[in-house]
Amino acid sequence: ETGVTQTPRHLVMGMTNKKSLKCEQHLGHNAMYWYKQSAKKPLELMFVYSLEERVENNSVPSRFSPECPNSSHLFLHLHTLQPEDSALYLCASSQDRTNEKLFFGSGTQLSVL
Amino acid sequence: AQTVTQSQPEMSVQEAETVTLSCTYDTSESDYYLFWYKQPPSRQMILVIRQEAYKQQNATENRFSVNFQKAAKSFSLKISDSQLGDAAMYFCAYRSAGTGKLIFGQGTTLQVKP
Repeated sequence: ETGVTQTPRHLVMGMTNKKSLKCEQHLGHNAMYWYKQSAKKPLELMFVYSLEERVENNSVPSRFSPECPNSSHLFLHLHTLQPEDSALYLCASSQDRTNEKLFFGSGTQLSVL
Repeated sequence: AQTVTQSQPEMSVQEAETVTLSCTYDTSESDYYLFWYKQPPSRQMILVIRQEAYKQQNATENRFSVNFQKAAKSFSLKISDSQLGDAAMYFCAYRSAGTGKLIFGQGTTLQVKP
């Protein structure tokens, strides 16, 4: 247990559904991240939040909408996804953006039908 | 742009023996960090070991050690006295000291045979 909790653990959704992924960290960190892990591909950084402000968006389609209401919580809102969006979505946190030690959650395995 | 390459999609090792996982990277920066992360079946990525580029001494953490060759841009992970719990996917990662961006390799799946 690294102090980063993600829910749900698994999610199956249709292309017209709207769902949200939740991440919570209990480490007092100020930076939070969303990563996408697809089979046979390196982890892809999607979004970075620092002190609740989005500081990085790596050309992610608008059907993915992040939200960081406070420094402990991070959401990823999903709508009108495509089958190619099926992947493991990992949340991570670090003390701040300059700190190189990331702590990861166990991820949400998403399947888009 | 920086890249990280792990050329071994799968490796296997006998329990109690030693295995080395390879990683190469490409960068024009002089200041950076390198990492090895472990992802067991639980899916939670766990930091195994880290190396600062300005340090010549290779990092070690118990049974885990690295061979950092800065000129060759190589960063291999050695696991000694392999245990069944070491079975996992291992990711090599590069982090720019300037931008802070973390870049991962494709991963190597390690199987440990009893």
